[in-house]
Formats: sequence, C-alpha cells, structure tokens
Amino acid sequence: QSALTQPRSVSGSPEQSVTISCTGTSSDVGGYNYVSWYQQHPGKAPKLMIYDVSKRPSGVPDRFSGSKSDNTASLTISGLQAEDEADYYCCSYAGSSVYVFGTGTKVTVL
Amino acid sequence: QLQLQESGPGLVRPSETLSLTCTVSGGSISSSSYYWGWIRQPPGKGLEWIGTIYYSGSTYYNPSLKSRVTISIDTSKSRFSLKLTSVTAADTAVYFCARLAVAGTWFDPWGQGALVTVSS
Repeated sequence: QSALTQPRSVSGSPEQSVTISCTGTSSDVGGYNYVSWYQQHPGKAPKLMIYDVSKRPSGVPDRFSGSKSDNTASLTISGLQAEDEADYYCCSYAGSSVYVFGTGTKVTVL
Repeated sequence: QLQLQESGPGLVRPSETLSLTCTVSGGSISSSSYYWGWIRQPPGKGLEWIGTIYYSGSTYYNPSLKSRVTISIDTSKSRFSLKLTSVTAADTAVYFCARLAVAGTWFDPWGQGALVTVSS
C-alpha cells in the first residue's frame, strides 16, 4: 500500500485561502468516502480536522473544509491564520481494515 | 475526556523487540464503537499506520509490517500493546496510539507519542 501523494508545501498570506490535495487510487481515496485530515504542530500529536471527507469535528473552525473528486481529496483553509501554520496529513481507508496516510504537507503562513 | 498515554523503553537494540503499551483513561476500552490503533512517525517524516485492534482481540496490520507486528489488548487493565520484532534503525520513530471510530475511519484522540530509538 503506497502512501497517498500530497504536495510537499503550500503557502499563503493571512486571510488568503490554500488548498492541499491528497491523491490516491480507486482502491483507497476513490473507493470510499472515508478520508480524514490531521493537523500536526512541531513536537505535537496529530489533531483531527476533517473526517468522512467533509465533516468537521466539534471545535474545529469552519474555515477548514474538505472535499473529494475521483481519486483526489482536498483540504481547504479559508481565511488563513498564523496558528494554521503546521503540517497536514490526509488518511484514507483502503479496504480490508487497512489505512494509508498521505506524505504530508507543510503549510506556511507568509 | 478520553486520554491515551504511551509508555515503554526509549532505546531498543537492533534485532531485538520493541514493546510499547497504550493506557486508556476517561473512557471504556471495551466500547463496541471503537478500534484502537498504533501509528508511527520517523524523525522528520510522515505518518505510517501500523495496525489496529478491537476489544474482542481482532487485529488488522499494515501488510508491510505484518510479519513483525503483534498488537494485543488487556481490557481488564484498559490498555493495549504493540510488539515489533527484529527492529532496525529504520524503525526509529515516534510511536502514537489512537482511537479509531468503527462508524467511520478517523483517528481521534491521539496519545502524545513515544520516541523509540533503535541503536546499539
């Protein structure tokens, strides 16, 4: 099972929007509506930001949104804020109780 | 509030077995609504799913690690454990435990992580 492909880095100015892609195959991202996204600050544990492609857990700001088209899922941060600077990882169910994470994307707030 | 805490040796010799335990507090490890999982992150690299276990003892492993991994659960002590055999330097990583929802496939919450270094 290969890692899902994410851009190494994306950047944006405060209040701008950035989108992170997560590309897999029809056996994982494209086959299930089970994509989740995690935010990780340096030295910290990952934090769930989006689950089931587009659902937002309680407490996560509504500037975070998720979507999916075919084999690619996306996380959009609208109205970028300084505290959003972190690494972001996608994760997809891949069938047979197997899970695969993305390669990770570093978001920089300029 | 559910909390998970990893514990175990921070240094393991090459070819030996890495052993970690995750203790669950503030909730039931025997809930039928959740699995319990291990995920690792080598220094400066991305996340890798290792495996998950249900309270009944059913286990699911990453195919790339399956031959070396064993995950077990002790519901009486509210904890689950990871064993990884024949370790090499490539197994040096921060190891996280996390809860996985049965209804979906999201990991939440996570433990703080435990750094395990493989070195002689």
